[in-house]
Amino acid sequence: AQKVTQAQTEISVVEKEDVTLDCVYETRDTTYYLFWYKQPPSGELVFLIRRNSFDEQNEISGRYSWNFQKSTSSFNFTITASQVVDSAVYFCALSDWNNFNKFYFGSGTKLNVKP
Amino acid sequence: EAGVAQSPRYKIIEKRQSVAFWCNPISGHATLYWYQQILGQGPKLLIQFQNNGVVDDSQLPKDRFSAERLKGVDSTLKIQPAKLEDSAVYLCASSSYRDRESEQYFGPGTRLTVT
Repeated sequence: AQKVTQAQTEISVVEKEDVTLDCVYETRDTTYYLFWYKQPPSGELVFLIRRNSFDEQNEISGRYSWNFQKSTSSFNFTITASQVVDSAVYFCALSDWNNFNKFYFGSGTKLNVKP
Repeated sequence: EAGVAQSPRYKIIEKRQSVAFWCNPISGHATLYWYQQILGQGPKLLIQFQNNGVVDDSQLPKDRFSAERLKGVDSTLKIQPAKLEDSAVYLCASSSYRDRESEQYFGPGTRLTVT
């Protein structure tokens, strides 16, 4: 069965610190997609990144970077030089293509960036 | 391109009353999802439509919740009668389902308070 675990419930950092959000997943599929979403206080879930199971290259987008490791079933998200605007809840998700792209969400990590 | 639209944004009702939420997905998106998000938790899938057919409603409390997507476009989610534990944010999302890379796009949500 598909499952996503985000063990960190809440993280607090001071602005300009680096922070890593952990995501561990379980699936029996050989082909799958992983996603990260950001949910700011306004409530709308905003898509950040998608990664397929065949591409283990790390990705960097500005201050954001993602580390995908199939060997440990992890898809971690790092914010470099955090800013107050990064304060939000971040969700990791796993899609089940064989089930009409059903998403399995983790419970989320709330990031507090203090000035 | 317009995003996923939802209304109302906020609703306060008393227990045992009924309520309905409306969602209009991104144009051309075949798949529509309704999620329930209780404070501090990740989104929980209630029902998933592929065009106007239901493909997953395994977590929908069918004794009180109902949903329809009659013309394969917009959708309505209804709760009748509401319970205190139904207080949550109800999120609608849509996806093109054209390929495995399809992420879900979320609307702003409807915050329901049952008193």
